Amino acid sequence: NAGVMQNPRHLVRRRGQEARLRCSPMKGHSHVYWYRQLPEEGLKFMVYLQKENIIDESGMPKERFSAEFPKEGPSILRIQQVVRGDSAAYFCASSSTRLAGTDTQYFGPGTRLTVL
Amino acid sequence: AQTVTQSQPEMSVQEAETVTLSCTYDTSESDYYLFWYKQPPSRQMILVIRQEAYKQQNATENRFSVNFQKAAKSFSLKISDSQLGDAAMYFCAYRSAQGGSEKLVFGKGTKLTVNP
Repeated sequence: NAGVMQNPRHLVRRRGQEARLRCSPMKGHSHVYWYRQLPEEGLKFMVYLQKENIIDESGMPKERFSAEFPKEGPSILRIQQVVRGDSAAYFCASSSTRLAGTDTQYFGPGTRLTVL
Repeated sequence: AQTVTQSQPEMSVQEAETVTLSCTYDTSESDYYLFWYKQPPSRQMILVIRQEAYKQQNATENRFSVNFQKAAKSFSLKISDSQLGDAAMYFCAYRSAQGGSEKLVFGKGTKLTVNP
């Protein structure tokens, strides 16, 4: 059973370019979460999505960042006009339902974004 | 807002010995979940163990066990018979059981070194 897939694993962008990070949840999972990890820090929640809906975006910066999880295809985290401070590891996690015991979040390998 | 504190930035243990990693959290909720995740040098986030707050019994997974003290809001991880492969960053995380609050709140992590 394939785990959470993220691509690319490494992404280099110059300041002002756009970054697109993709996440395919585990088979059967319909909940996706994005987290950001700055160097020497723990993970910080950004956004929680279900198919075609943003449920909680309380951790998402108000500008330049957006996320989607379409009916078909992977979830996308998009960062427009990247700045050096966006350099971080971005992790995607997925879960199946909100029922107790079945909603553990399983993480992908992360995308390391470097902004030059 | 909930917070998670890991007061030990680094810990070390001799191979085959036992080590305990500390975690405290702050919440006004009575029902929630607690997790320990492991992040090896590959940076993949791996679930180690999970605890439901309504359960008094401490969770155990092979060599990993927790000491959950709800009144003290403490959730420590004990690793028995430490192995070289246990070397990693360990993150404690909290998740509310309330509907709509799916995000994990992470501590800053403890770097565990295992000495041969």
